[in-house]
Amino acid sequence: AQSVTQPDIHITVSEGASLELRCNYSYGATPYLFWYVQSPGQGLQLLLKYFSGDTLVQGIKGFEAEFKRSQSSFNLRKPSVHWSDAAEYFCAWRGPGGGNKLTFGTGTQLKVEL
Amino acid sequence: DTAVSQTPKYLVTQMGNDKSIKCEQNLGHDTMYWYKQDSKKFLKIMFSYNNKELIINETVPNRFSPKSPDKAHLNLHINSLELGDSAVYFCASSQTGGPDYEQYFGPGTRLTVT
Repeated sequence: AQSVTQPDIHITVSEGASLELRCNYSYGATPYLFWYVQSPGQGLQLLLKYFSGDTLVQGIKGFEAEFKRSQSSFNLRKPSVHWSDAAEYFCAWRGPGGGNKLTFGTGTQLKVEL
Repeated sequence: DTAVSQTPKYLVTQMGNDKSIKCEQNLGHDTMYWYKQDSKKFLKIMFSYNNKELIINETVPNRFSPKSPDKAHLNLHINSLELGDSAVYFCASSQTGGPDYEQYFGPGTRLTVT
């Protein structure tokens, strides 16, 4: 079945350290891929998206993600994490011919140690 | 100038009751969605409306009935509430018509059924 997988349920990093959150997709063609962040008690905010073109995409809050077709991955990165980045991160995909719905991964909870 | 708003933010009710959640977007989008986030934070689409027409109806009990009086509003009515309906419900909207659109989410409604 077409899906996205986030292998890491929880990740803890120290403030100032680099971050990489993993996302793997299962889809025959190139999907449309997204990263969303959900702060505690809040709705979802789009960090970045990939549709086509340059495989390295820049987002808000200093985040970037790289689409790697050979690895079926779309990992989220940040060079230096801030305490305010502690949140739940969701990878999502939307197939070009699959209607409008987003299919979400199970999420990765990020904790930041001061 | 909230983009996607939901009311109420919290809803506590007893089993068997009927309740509604309202959603409004002021982005001028033509498509609106309802997603359910369960206790494990898993997000799944429930419904999608485009120009007041139902276009996605996932496997959702028919106790759930969405209603879209106009393009800017999508309400969710739930009959005979059950314990398993406890979740956070997110409304979202997007402007379709091309491949590179994104969905904007509301702050969520936390429903607790006792």
